[in-house]
Amino acid sequence: QVQLQESGPGLVEPSQTLSLTCDVSGYSISSGNWWGWIRQPPGKGPEWIGYIYYSGSIYYNPSLKSRVTMSVDTSKNQFSLRVSSVTAVDTAVYYCARVADSGYYFDYWGQGTLVTVSS
Amino acid sequence: DIQMTQSPPSLSASVGDTVTITCRASQSITNYLNWYQQIPGKAPNLLVYAASSLQSGVPSRFSGSRSGTDFTLTISSLQPEDFATYFCQQSYSTPWTFGQGTKVEIK
Repeated sequence: QVQLQESGPGLVEPSQTLSLTCDVSGYSISSGNWWGWIRQPPGKGPEWIGYIYYSGSIYYNPSLKSRVTMSVDTSKNQFSLRVSSVTAVDTAVYYCARVADSGYYFDYWGQGTLVTVSS
Repeated sequence: DIQMTQSPPSLSASVGDTVTITCRASQSITNYLNWYQQIPGKAPNLLVYAASSLQSGVPSRFSGSRSGTDFTLTISSLQPEDFATYFCQQSYSTPWTFGQGTKVEIK
C-alpha cells in the first residue's frame, strides 16, 4: 500500500523559508510517477504547487515559481519542498501526493501538515 | 490559468436524496477533469477521474459526466458518510487548478 507522510516545522516566521519533506513507503519513488505538492489555505480550495519526477524534472505553478524549490532523494525514497520569503498568505495545510500512472490526477495523498506563518 | 467554477458553494440534503454538483471550466479541457471528496481534517480522496471514470473502491452511487466545458458529479441515494466537501480539478494543462469546493451538509 502506497503511503505518504509530510514532515517539517508547523510554525515559520515571516520572510523565512518553509521546508517540508514527504516520505514515501510501500512504493519506490523511482518507479516512474510524478510526485506533487498541494496546499490548502484554511477554508479555501486546494492550490497546486507543482510536481517533480524522480529524475529531477519539475513543473512549478507560475504564481509561486520564484519562491519554490522541489527536490527528490531516491536513496531515501523522499521528496522535498522549500518555499522562501514566506508571508501570512502561505499559511496552509500542505499535502504531498502521487500522480497516478496515467499522469492526470493524484491517487495517493499524505495526511497533510499545517504550516502557520507567524512571528 | 484555467479557472474552475464550482456550484453551488454549499447545499443541504437528506439521506437518500440525489445530489448534483457542477464544475465549469473557463476553456476546453476535454475530459481532463477529476473529482475529490474531502472530509474535515482529512486529505482529498479521488472519486472520479477523466470526467466519468470511477476510481477503484468508490461506491457506484457516485458518477461523473461532461457536457462541453460543464462537468457534473452526481451522488445517488446520499449516505451519511457522503456529507463532506467536494472539489473538481482540471489536469488539461499546468498549472493544475481546483474548484473552490461544494460543501454537502445534512438537512
